[in-house]
Amino acid sequence: GQNIDQPTEMTATEGAIVQINCTYQTSGFNGLFWYQQHAGEAPTFLSYNVLDGLEEKGRFSSFLSRSKGYSYLLLKELQMKDSASYLCAVLDSNYQLIWGAGTKLIIKP
Amino acid sequence: DGGITQSPKYLFRKEGQNVTLSCEQNLNHDAMYWYRQDPGQGLRLIYYSQIVNDFQKGDIAEGYSVSREKKESFPLTVTSAQKNPTAFYLCASSPLGTGAPPQHFGDGTRLSIL
Repeated sequence: GQNIDQPTEMTATEGAIVQINCTYQTSGFNGLFWYQQHAGEAPTFLSYNVLDGLEEKGRFSSFLSRSKGYSYLLLKELQMKDSASYLCAVLDSNYQLIWGAGTKLIIKP
Repeated sequence: DGGITQSPKYLFRKEGQNVTLSCEQNLNHDAMYWYRQDPGQGLRLIYYSQIVNDFQKGDIAEGYSVSREKKESFPLTVTSAQKNPTAFYLCASSPLGTGAPPQHFGDGTRLSIL
């Protein structure tokens, strides 16, 4: 079966750096997405990786290793507004998105 | 501005009742999707459509039905056969044929049982 694993919850301090990991086992791979979802709201797109390596976008970066079935989302200079769930999703061989359960990130002052 | 509009934001269903959730997009996207999200869980695909008058079942289609009569619209009906409909329902859309574009989401509909 297809599976995406993320930690359920993480806690970090305002101004610090946090890394959220995602491992996947899917039938085929056509890219990996990270989304941010605030409580009670819709997910919003953060990043997309299809080749190995690091993609940087402001305070957020996303890394992919296809051989290891592994990605991480790196958040720098954490702000209180970064408190949210972060969803990892993989586009499989049928171009369907397979979603992880999300990681709830709690930011403390 | 282009986007996806879901309505209503909150919906209550009585036992044995069918209810319909609306989803409209003006992004000119070909593909549209319905997801269900339960607390602390990821998104699960209910139905998707890549072209007008055609749609496919997702992982949890039982108890739900959809139609795609217009490109812009993809309503979801939660039937009385869905015994546990309380959840957050998200509609999404994406263009086709451009690699792997991100999905754009509506603001969601929260459905509860009376």
